[in-house]
Amino acid sequence: DSGVTQTPKHLITATGQRVTLRCSPRSGDLSVYWYQQSLDQGLQFLIQYYNGEERAKGNILERFSAQQFPDLHSELNLSSLELGDSALYFCASSVTGYTGELFFGEGSRLTVL
Amino acid sequence: AQTVTQSQPEMSVQEAETVTLSCTYDTSESDYYLFWYKQPPSRQMILVIRQEAYKQQNATENRFSVNFQKAAKSFSLKISDSQLGDAAMYFCAYRQPTSGTYKYIFGTGTRLKVLA
Repeated sequence: DSGVTQTPKHLITATGQRVTLRCSPRSGDLSVYWYQQSLDQGLQFLIQYYNGEERAKGNILERFSAQQFPDLHSELNLSSLELGDSALYFCASSVTGYTGELFFGEGSRLTVL
Repeated sequence: AQTVTQSQPEMSVQEAETVTLSCTYDTSESDYYLFWYKQPPSRQMILVIRQEAYKQQNATENRFSVNFQKAAKSFSLKISDSQLGDAAMYFCAYRQPTSGTYKYIFGTGTRLKVLA
């Protein structure tokens, strides 16, 4: 158990819909990262938050948005969903500074029909 | 821009044998971290091993060790005494500290099959 909690674990929805994925980082971790992994693909970095502020942006579509709340949990909002958005969405958190590694949640598997 | 390359999409190894997964990266930084993550069929991402660039000594974790060649920008993972449970996707990752924002860049992964 990494200590990072993601909900829901599985989500099936239709094209054009909007969904929200939620992430609670490990206790004490200020940084939250979102990644997208399509089937048999690598990890695509979407966005990073640090203590409530956006710190880095990757290949995140305009239809996607995210935020980190004062209690440090984060939400990733995906709207106007398309078939190609079907993927595993990972949230990860890290300790600020030294140790370096990302701790991943179990992912939210999104299926768009 | 930093890049991470894993040139072996798939590798196979016999149980109890040794296998080496390759990773190269490109950076102009001198201070960074490198990681190997394992993703078994459950899709959970699990940290296997970490290497700090300023350390010359290669990291080891039980049956897992790395060959870190900083000048060559190479970071390979050696798995000794391979076990069936080692079958997974393995991702190499690079972390660059940038003014408090830590960018992690992942390779495309190598799928490891372990043959009984």
